[in-house]
Amino acid sequence: GDSVTQMEGPVTLSEEAFLTINCTYTATGYPSLFWYVQYPGEGLQLLLKATKADDKGSNKGFEATYRKETTSFHLEKGSVQVSDSAVYFCALIPRGQGAQKLVFGQGTRLTINP
Amino acid sequence: DSGVTQTPKHLITATGQRVTLRCSPRSGDLSVYWYQQSLDQGLQFLIQYYNGEERAKGNILERFSAQQFPDLHSELNLSSLELGDSALYFCASSVGAGEKLFFGSGTQLSVL
Repeated sequence: GDSVTQMEGPVTLSEEAFLTINCTYTATGYPSLFWYVQYPGEGLQLLLKATKADDKGSNKGFEATYRKETTSFHLEKGSVQVSDSAVYFCALIPRGQGAQKLVFGQGTRLTINP
Repeated sequence: DSGVTQTPKHLITATGQRVTLRCSPRSGDLSVYWYQQSLDQGLQFLIQYYNGEERAKGNILERFSAQQFPDLHSELNLSSLELGDSALYFCASSVGAGEKLFFGSGTQLSVL
């Protein structure tokens, strides 16, 4: 079945460091890909998405590029801030399906130290 | 603020008991989804309702049930609770059956 694999956390960085959180997926065809973020005590929020190969999703300084050749959707940010501390989830929806088919990775906890 | 409201925020109960979790979707959203988040299982989709009717089922136990009312709010009923049911339960809503979900802040259930 469809699945998402994320790098295991926790990840701890210093402020202004470069961030990469790896995400790979297994799916039939070309799914839509997402990154969600969960801040402490809150629900998940959509951070960015990409719906076809080579698309780049971006938001709040975060970027991820849909790579079909490596079935990856790695999250990057050039200079992280303390306020980026959160849990990040990579997810997919199979092509042509709705949100009820959303498949999440296990999540990666990110802590940014000042 | 996502616009999705969940109550209560915290719930502590004992094994064998029954609880009801409530969710009010964003104004105008017809679909409601329930998820369970636990340390060992991660985020698991439980069930979806669309405009009052069950639309999709995921990994929902038979001891759990849900419904969506005419005003579109939804309730998740958990019965014969076990220690392993302790988790964070999220509700999410969307306009239709599309891709973008808006999540509530969750109900933390502790079964003692």
